[in-house]
Amino acid sequence: QSALTQPASVSGSPGQSITISCTGTNSDIGANNFVSWYQHYPGKAPKLMMYEVTNRPSGVSDRFSGSKSGNTASLTISGLQAEDEADYYCTSYTRGNTLFGGGTKLTVL
Amino acid sequence: QMQLVQSGPEVKKPGTSVKVSCKASGFNFRGSAVQWVRQARGQGLEWIGWIVVGSLNIKYAQKFKDRVNITRDMSTNTAYMELSSLRFEDTAVYYCAAGPMLSLYDCWGQGTLVTVSS
Repeated sequence: QSALTQPASVSGSPGQSITISCTGTNSDIGANNFVSWYQHYPGKAPKLMMYEVTNRPSGVSDRFSGSKSGNTASLTISGLQAEDEADYYCTSYTRGNTLFGGGTKLTVL
Repeated sequence: QMQLVQSGPEVKKPGTSVKVSCKASGFNFRGSAVQWVRQARGQGLEWIGWIVVGSLNIKYAQKFKDRVNITRDMSTNTAYMELSSLRFEDTAVYYCAAGPMLSLYDCWGQGTLVTVSS
């Protein structure tokens, strides 16, 4: 199975909103709501930011929100802060397999 | 607090095997799923496989299924990932992650650097 498709990079200024897309197929993202998002600082352990498309784990800022339309899931970060600068990965779990997106580097200008 | 502590860095020769451990504390290890993921330098995260700790149900990514073995020891709350027939391109940081469901991993290890070098 191919990886999910994410933009290689996105950027925004502090206070702005950005959206990272994650495109799959009707066999993965389009098949269920088991889409998660992870934030990854280089050299650190990844952190779960969103699960089942729209659910935020305890402790994750409400500036982060998730959505899905058809075969594309999205992570939106509002009120950008310098600390949001990191790599973000989407994943889709379908029929026992986990697919990762290629990752998106978020730069806060 | 929930924690996963992985074993230390490894340097291996091509063709050999490596076994990375992942010790859990602070949560119900027996009721969790554990996945293994790797990241090569400059690359993204790549899924290797998962194990449902209590049922011993296991699934491997197609790419690794012929040379990976994921196990667990419930007496020590530890999961293991063994990769055999190592190649230079297996050089990467290997992460374990645990969660209550196969689709959700909310606790990650610190990563283990495996270097394959002759």
